Amino acid sequence: TQLLEQSPQFLSIQEGENLTVYCNSSSVFSSLQWYRQEPGEGPVLLVTVVTGGEVKKLKRLTFQFGDARKDSSLHITAAQPGDTGLYLCSTITGGGNKLTFGTGTQLKVEL
Amino acid sequence: DTEVTQTPKHLVMGMTNKKSLKCEQHMGHRAMYWYKQKAKKPPELMFVYSYEKLSINESVPSRFSPECPNSSLLNLHLHALQPEDSALYLCASSLGTAWHPYGYTFGSGTRLTVV
Repeated sequence: TQLLEQSPQFLSIQEGENLTVYCNSSSVFSSLQWYRQEPGEGPVLLVTVVTGGEVKKLKRLTFQFGDARKDSSLHITAAQPGDTGLYLCSTITGGGNKLTFGTGTQLKVEL
Repeated sequence: DTEVTQTPKHLVMGMTNKKSLKCEQHMGHRAMYWYKQKAKKPPELMFVYSYEKLSINESVPSRFSPECPNSSLLNLHLHALQPEDSALYLCASSLGTAWHPYGYTFGSGTRLTVV
């Protein structure tokens, strides 16, 4: 059983469409982070959320941390081909020593 | 300097070869990590170094041997690998192993193919 389950696993959309990626768990987290990994590169941190109910915006990306701090969502408005990549939610486990990733969402945005 | 540099970018090795992957950062980070990533899957933690000491080994086979010569360098020595070890190997660093909002900084990885 994965600690962090993401859905959908794969998403292929047209430019201009909106989409939402979900990250769910049965555990409560003190914080959660979202990374994006482009082909041929390592993951890059997008945002950290720490407060239940928190909403953060990064240009066309909106991140929300669930009230109970068990889940999070990433919403992209008017997707562009440059948004293509693997989106990973993550949290720190192991007493603060380990960054554990969710199952991942592979997004492809086509012209 | 805000980067983690990994070399080589690509590596093809035979099952009897010995090779090393290298990782370098000059951000003053005191924790460094090796992750393994298969295609279309999330990265999986292999090793954690904190203040140049190995603090976590995620039950990685002994054919992978990490080394941290100093606070800026991290190596992964490879010997007698199997074809299923072919993957993207990512190095990462962070300020420390305790939680902080700045996350991890990842390198671009070494694409390893074992033939």
